[in-house]
Amino acid sequence: SQELEQSPQSLIVQEGKNLTINCTSSKTLYGLYWYKQKYGEGLIFLMMLQKGGEEKSHEKITAKLDEKKQQSSLHITASQPSHAGIYLCGADNDGNKLVFGAGTILRVKS
Amino acid sequence: DAGVTQSPTHLIKTRGQQVTLRCSPISGHKSVSWYQQVLGQGPQFIFQYYEKEERGRGNFPDRFSARQFPNYSSELNVNALLLGDSALYLCASSFGGRNEQFFGPGTRLTVL
Repeated sequence: SQELEQSPQSLIVQEGKNLTINCTSSKTLYGLYWYKQKYGEGLIFLMMLQKGGEEKSHEKITAKLDEKKQQSSLHITASQPSHAGIYLCGADNDGNKLVFGAGTILRVKS
Repeated sequence: DAGVTQSPTHLIKTRGQQVTLRCSPISGHKSVSWYQQVLGQGPQFIFQYYEKEERGRGNFPDRFSARQFPNYSSELNVNALLLGDSALYLCASSFGGRNEQFFGPGTRLTVL
């Protein structure tokens, strides 16, 4: 079965700094989702990547999909306290059944 | 437009009891999926329903069951509750097939 490994598990950054979160799959990625979650709440859809080399941006968040490396990265530019939360990557496994990584906890110090 | 809604928000049950969780998808969405998220982990897939038919089942015991109604809302039932069933239960809806899934706020189930 497909497994997703996220790194780092957690990070603390100073407000204004850039950061990157990685998601590596054990199998070929056919669709990769990024979600943000506040503790104990639902998941907020950020982006979906479907093609190798695809890159999408939303405000200060950019995600890329490297199909050959079976990896995706999420980059936040000039982090703000509102970026704090848990970032989850999910892979489309066998017909829209998402498999998720364990998540990366982001804290932003102001 | 309203997003995915779930009820109840929180629930406390005792071991051996049964629970029913409810989900209303985004208007126009025909697929509903259920996920279980244990503290500190990513969500685990339980079921997917599309057009009222089960399209997928995750690695969960038969104590877990679900159904989808003609209006595309869905219920998740869990029988003979165990302490390990304590988790955040998330519902996600999508238009169908391989589309973006949008999640509801979740139902926090605590089993004592």
